[in-house]
Amino acid sequence: GAVVSQHPSRVICKSGTSVKIECRSLDFQATTMFWYRQFPKQSLMLMATSNEGSKATYEQGVEKDKFLINHASLTLSTLTVTSAHPEDSSFYICSAATRGGSPLHFGNGTRLTVT
Amino acid sequence: AQKITQTQPGMFVQEKEAVTLDCTYDTSDPSYGLFWYKQPSSGEMIFLIYQGSYDQQNATEGRYSLNFQKARKSANLVISASQLGDSAMYFCASGGTGTASKLTFGTGTRLQVTL
Repeated sequence: GAVVSQHPSRVICKSGTSVKIECRSLDFQATTMFWYRQFPKQSLMLMATSNEGSKATYEQGVEKDKFLINHASLTLSTLTVTSAHPEDSSFYICSAATRGGSPLHFGNGTRLTVT
Repeated sequence: AQKITQTQPGMFVQEKEAVTLDCTYDTSDPSYGLFWYKQPSSGEMIFLIYQGSYDQQNATEGRYSLNFQKARKSANLVISASQLGDSAMYFCASGGTGTASKLTFGTGTRLQVTL
């Protein structure tokens, strides 16, 4: 079946540095990818929607200059957390959708810890 | 805007018994999709079942079935013959029907299956 690969699964970085998270669709072309954030023991909150070849659409309250999203190909979207701070520590998870299909496929998530 | 409500923060069920996880939704969209995901402690989101708002029959996938009551705006998940491996967080979500769409998640229900 379709698989979405997310890398890295866990990352620890120092405050002020940037971290890039990759989301790849392994056996299908993902026209749309979604990035979610999950705080401990809370639900998933949508951060942004990225469409291949166009700018991402950010949800209200999400800083687009801080969370840079690039969807340069039909199989890869990246989320870069710029100038990370401890409050950015969270679980980030992506999902990928095929053309005409609901976003059923999630990556395994990335646990980011900013020290 | 869509809203998902899961009123059961935690549930216990004995192995081999059936359990119902509650989900109510609120949406102004004329057509919509309802989803259930399982999130084990590892963090990955596992798709379980989908119900379209215009589907005449309740969705079933193996041991999972969705009790869809449109008039009550409820989409409860029924797990039959519970197994120890079913212990996880379960999220109800709403989104579009059959097209790539963002999902709105509920707060989740933690299910513990006991011997």
